[in-house]
Amino acid sequence: AQSVTQLDSQVPVFEEAPVELRCNYSSSVSVYLFWYVQYPNQGLQLLLKYLSGSTLVKGINGFEAEFNKSQTSFHLRKPSVHISDTAEYFCAVTASGTYKYIFGTGTRLKVLA
Amino acid sequence: NAGVMQNPRHLVRRRGQEARLRCSPMKGHSHVYWYRQLPEEGLKFMVYLQKENIIDESGMPKERFSAEFPKEGPSILRIQQVVRGDSAAYFCASSPPGGLAGADTQYFGPGTRLTVL
Repeated sequence: AQSVTQLDSQVPVFEEAPVELRCNYSSSVSVYLFWYVQYPNQGLQLLLKYLSGSTLVKGINGFEAEFNKSQTSFHLRKPSVHISDTAEYFCAVTASGTYKYIFGTGTRLKVLA
Repeated sequence: NAGVMQNPRHLVRRRGQEARLRCSPMKGHSHVYWYRQLPEEGLKFMVYLQKENIIDESGMPKERFSAEFPKEGPSILRIQQVVRGDSAAYFCASSPPGGLAGADTQYFGPGTRLTVL
């Protein structure tokens, strides 16, 4: 079985500062990893995903994430955040042959002016 | 290309009533998933369906909850005799057929927020 841990429930950061949202997973098999963003009262939108290949994955809105197999991590980064990045961010994992996403509990990013 | 549609967006029910949540997947998608998001929590998988088939319902409560995805029409998540603990946001997602299991992106709808009084 897979599990996902997002250690930071809330991350405040000033506008134009860099940010890293942490995600750690556990699994006994190969995994696929996803980051989704949820704006207030909306559904989830895919930011990026890792399936295989290059461990550095670039997504939409200037976000990127790095898959680190030895540390079982998939942290999300952005070099310079905007007010509009204020939202909740979810890390999710699946394994080959399974369909259901296992989500973390989310990290609320609040960008301050 | 319309995204995943869910209706209603908000639903209020009294304890003991039935709730019916509808999900129309993206055009061309034949896989539908339902997730539940309780306040201050992440999404939890409930059920995965393909047309006329339930593939995985390991996340569905054993009683009062059922789901279907008929040959024609939207997928329906039905909750009978609702209780206050059923209050949550219910999200539907869809993905296209023929993909690699687990690797396909799931496209999420805006959710139905159920409030049980």
